Amino acid sequence: GAVVSQHPSWVICKSGTSVKIECRSLDFQATTMFWYRQFPKQSLMLMATSNEGSKATYEQGVEKDKFLINHASLTLSTLTVTSAHPEDSSFYICSARDRIPNYGYTFGSGTRLTVV
Amino acid sequence: DQQVKQNSPSLSVQEGRISILNCDYTNSMFDYFLWYKKYPAEGPTFLISISSIKDKNEDGRFTVFLNKSAKHLSLHIVPSQPGDSAVYFCAASGNQFYFGTGTSLTVIP
Repeated sequence: GAVVSQHPSWVICKSGTSVKIECRSLDFQATTMFWYRQFPKQSLMLMATSNEGSKATYEQGVEKDKFLINHASLTLSTLTVTSAHPEDSSFYICSARDRIPNYGYTFGSGTRLTVV
Repeated sequence: DQQVKQNSPSLSVQEGRISILNCDYTNSMFDYFLWYKKYPAEGPTFLISISSIKDKNEDGRFTVFLNKSAKHLSLHIVPSQPGDSAVYFCAASGNQFYFGTGTSLTVIP
């Protein structure tokens, strides 16, 4: 089945530094990937939709200059949290959809970001 | 390897009947399970959850059952309504989150 690999699984960084999170579709081509932020025991919040070869579409309230998304190939999308602050500490999850609709959505296992 | 599986990609149910969505997992260390509902072009929204120390949690028309020995989770919706038509994801958490691939529920009026 479709597999999405997300790295790193957890990261601790200092305030003011940048962190890059990678999301790879291992055995399928993902023209569209989604980036979510998970707050404890709450809904996944869709941050942006990433389309291969074009600019990402950000949801209202998400700072595109702070959360840089690059989807340079059909198997890789990256989310870079720039100038991280403690309030950016969260669980970030990516999701990808195969070109074949019946595959549905496949989620990465998430990245737990802690900014100190 | 898929640690959380939803083997039925789609399900159709008549309005008023019960919808049962199933989810299987492989890791006995998961301690928390969640169900999300997703409409097209929207992010998933949290629906209901259950801790591994319980076997049932009910919230209105939604009930989640957990069978730890079988490593099986199910979501019951009764009575089903057309507005329940959406994609439902189950998820399990330990140190990380693992999501199923979703089941598309269609409730027929």
